[in-house]
Amino acid sequence: GENVEQHPSTLSVQEGDSAVIKCTYSDSASNYFPWYKQELGKRPQLIIDIRSNVGEKKDQRIAVTLNKTAKHFSLHITETQPEDSAVYFCAAMDTGFQKLVFGTGTRLLVSP
Amino acid sequence: NAGVTQTPKFQVLKTGQSMTLQCAQDMNHEYMSWYRQDPGMGLRLIHYSVGAGITDQGEVPNGYNVSRSTTEDFPLRLLSAAPSQTSVYFCASSYSMGPGELFFGEGSRLTVL
Repeated sequence: GENVEQHPSTLSVQEGDSAVIKCTYSDSASNYFPWYKQELGKRPQLIIDIRSNVGEKKDQRIAVTLNKTAKHFSLHITETQPEDSAVYFCAAMDTGFQKLVFGTGTRLLVSP
Repeated sequence: NAGVTQTPKFQVLKTGQSMTLQCAQDMNHEYMSWYRQDPGMGLRLIHYSVGAGITDQGEVPNGYNVSRSTTEDFPLRLLSAAPSQTSVYFCASSYSMGPGELFFGEGSRLTVL
């Protein structure tokens, strides 16, 4: 089955800096890669996703890139703000069973 | 729409007790699932269902049972609670199995003493 590794586990940046979170996956046939944001004490919520036929997708200050050859994908947040502080989870869809496998999460702290 | 509703939000059990976590969604979603969240381990799939009467195991199913008698409800049963089941549990649903947004409930924090 699919295995997803996520780095770093914690990331501290200053407000206005960029933040990058990286994930690798094991199943070369995986075709769907979402990112979820979980604020403290809240539920995870989808912030952006990408499918394997696309190399990059942007939504305002957030972008995701996908390198199918290397089997890794990354979340990029530009002009970070304190409200970006949260735990971010990447995930990959196991094409065999069509289930999402999540990474272990990255705690992002944006300091004013 | 209320979305995905979980109860209870907090629960303390003693080892060996049983309990049921309730999950309901009002979005007419076919796919429902249960995850547990533990520090440093992300979200791990316990059980899932692709429709009423159909359930299957995820990554960590041992010690848990599920059933899906209606489209709306997907309860998770702990048969004999163990300290290793101390965790935060999330129910999630989506329109169908496969690519697409998962909608999570608010979570249920369970402590087993």
